[in-house]
Amino acid sequence: GDSVTQMEGPVTLSEEAFLTINCTYTATGYPSLFWYVQYPGEGLQLLLKATKADDKGSNKGFEATYRKETTSFHLEKGSVQVSDSAVYFCALTAYGQNFVFGPGTRLSVLP
Amino acid sequence: DVKVTQSSRYLVKRTGEKVFLECVQDMDHENMFWYRQDPGLGLRLIYFSYDVKMKEKGDIPEGYSVSREKKERFSLILESASTNQTSMYLCASSTLQGFGTDTQYFGPGTRLTVL
Repeated sequence: GDSVTQMEGPVTLSEEAFLTINCTYTATGYPSLFWYVQYPGEGLQLLLKATKADDKGSNKGFEATYRKETTSFHLEKGSVQVSDSAVYFCALTAYGQNFVFGPGTRLSVLP
Repeated sequence: DVKVTQSSRYLVKRTGEKVFLECVQDMDHENMFWYRQDPGLGLRLIYFSYDVKMKEKGDIPEGYSVSREKKERFSLILESASTNQTSMYLCASSTLQGFGTDTQYFGPGTRLTVL
């Protein structure tokens, strides 16, 4: 079945550092790809998404590009802030299928 | 803005009790979902529904049931709570159009502890 693999972390960075969280996927169809973020004590919020190959999703300084050739959707941010500390989930879904979530990556940003 | 609300943020129950978790969405979404979230396991789908009175089993339905009597409300029921059902429970909703490809919107979660 479809699956998502992402680095589990925790990832600890200093403020203003560059962030990459890797995500790769396995899917039989042409999935849509998502990054969700979960702040402490809260539910998941959509961060960004991409629905076809070479699409770039972006939001709040975060970016991810749908790479079909490498089956990847890595999350990047040029300069992280303390307020970005959260758990990040990569996910996919294809038409008629339920969402498949990765295990989540905990990010801690130190001042 | 889409709003998904859950009846409780924190809940403590005893083994054997019947537990109801309520979820309400205000965006007229057709699809609703219940997940549980456990450390190291990510999110696992318990049940979902794509219409009133319709329900489908997810990956881990054992020990749970659901009810959807109205479009905006989706209830998760633990018939006889057990300690291994201690977890964070997340409700989500999405539109039917492009089913499976549309964004899911999540509630804040209910942290359930079964003693």
